[in-house]
This record gives sequence, structure tokens and C-alpha cells, in this order.
Amino acid sequence: AQTVTQSQPEMSVQEAETVTLSCTYDTSESDYYLFWYKQPPSRQMILVIRQEAYKQQNATENRFSVNFQKAAKSFSLKISDSQLGDAAMYFCAYRSAWGYTGANSKLTFGKGITLSVRP
Amino acid sequence: NAGVTQTPKFQVLKTGQSMTLQCAQDMNHNSMYWYRQDPGMGLRLIYYSASEGTTDKGEVPNGYNVSRLNKREFSLRLESAAPSQTSVYFCASSSLGEGSYEQYFGPGTRLTVT
Repeated sequence: AQTVTQSQPEMSVQEAETVTLSCTYDTSESDYYLFWYKQPPSRQMILVIRQEAYKQQNATENRFSVNFQKAAKSFSLKISDSQLGDAAMYFCAYRSAWGYTGANSKLTFGKGITLSVRP
Repeated sequence: NAGVTQTPKFQVLKTGQSMTLQCAQDMNHNSMYWYRQDPGMGLRLIYYSASEGTTDKGEVPNGYNVSRLNKREFSLRLESAAPSQTSVYFCASSSLGEGSYEQYFGPGTRLTVT
């Protein structure tokens, strides 16, 4: 079974600065997807960024980028030019890429990290 | 296009009462999921439905039942609520097939069992 670990329960960043959120995972599979979800106080789960394991290039979405280290099974999220609206809980999640069944499309989540942004 | 909707948004139950959480999606997705979120635990899968007519247990199924009523709707039932089921419940859906990655989440239901 796959596991996802987010070891930092809380982090804080000054507005306009850069912060990196860490995530490690354990799997015996070679092909999979990794995600970062954001959960603001509204409770809505919002997909921030996605990485396919077969791609060597790190994914980027505007101010959000990842550092994907497949051998180390590490998947960190970097937020540049932090904004007050970035304050939220962030979850790292794993999904198998094998097959197209409901079982393989399940997400395994880490415990989350609460990010606060100081004005 | 409403995406994934859940009802109710909030609910308070007494121990032993029953209730059904409703979920519907209008994206023509094959798969649907129920998760619970507890402080410090992340989201954990309760049940999922790969396609209409099939359901399977997830990580924490005890005390719950589900029904995949049709392709759009997937309900979660608590037959005899317990305080340990106090949580926030999320429904999600996803398509299957190559190129389909993302799960889309509903707004969640905050359930308190006293």
C-alpha cells in the first residue's frame, strides 16, 4: 500500500516571500500521479498542481511549482511571491497510474500542512 | 455546471440516529468517492464506486453504507451514528481513462454526533 507523509504540521511565511512545503511518499509502483490540493477556510478542496511520475520536468502553475525527486520519493511544493490568499491547509496526494479502474484512481492523502501568511 | 454537490452542509445528530448524506455530480464521471476528514488525519477513503452498480470499501468503511443510485448520485448512510463519526465528509468524482487524473470535490458536510 502507498503512504504519503507530510511531516511539518504548520508553516508560516511572510507575504511576498517564498515557501516550500515538503511531502514524501512510499510506493513500489513506477508510474503514478502526485497532487497538491489546497483547502482554504471555506473547506473546498482545490487542485493546485499535478505531476506525472513519468515526466522528468517539474510541473509549474503560475506561482506554484514542484520539486519532484522520483528516486528520493520526494514531492515538495514551492509557492513564490506568497499572498494572503495562499493561507490554507495543503495536502499532498498520490494516485496510481496503473489501469483505469476505480480502485486505481483512489487518492491517498498526507495529513496536511497548515500554511499561514504574515502581512 | 454545478460540479459536485453535497447535502446537507451541516448536520447534528444524536448517538444512535441515522442519516443519509447525498452527493451528485453533473460531469458524467464514472467513479465517485466518499472521504472523511479529521484533524491531523488528512482525508481517508470510506467507500468508492468505480462505476454505476459497483461499490467497494476504502480504508475506513465500518459504520457506513453506500448506494450508487445511478451514474450521477452516490449516497452515504450512517445507520446508527456514533460520536466517533463526528467529521467532515467529502464526496468526490473522477472520470476514468487515459488522461483523466483529477478528482473533483464537493463542498463537504460537517457532521457532529453528540
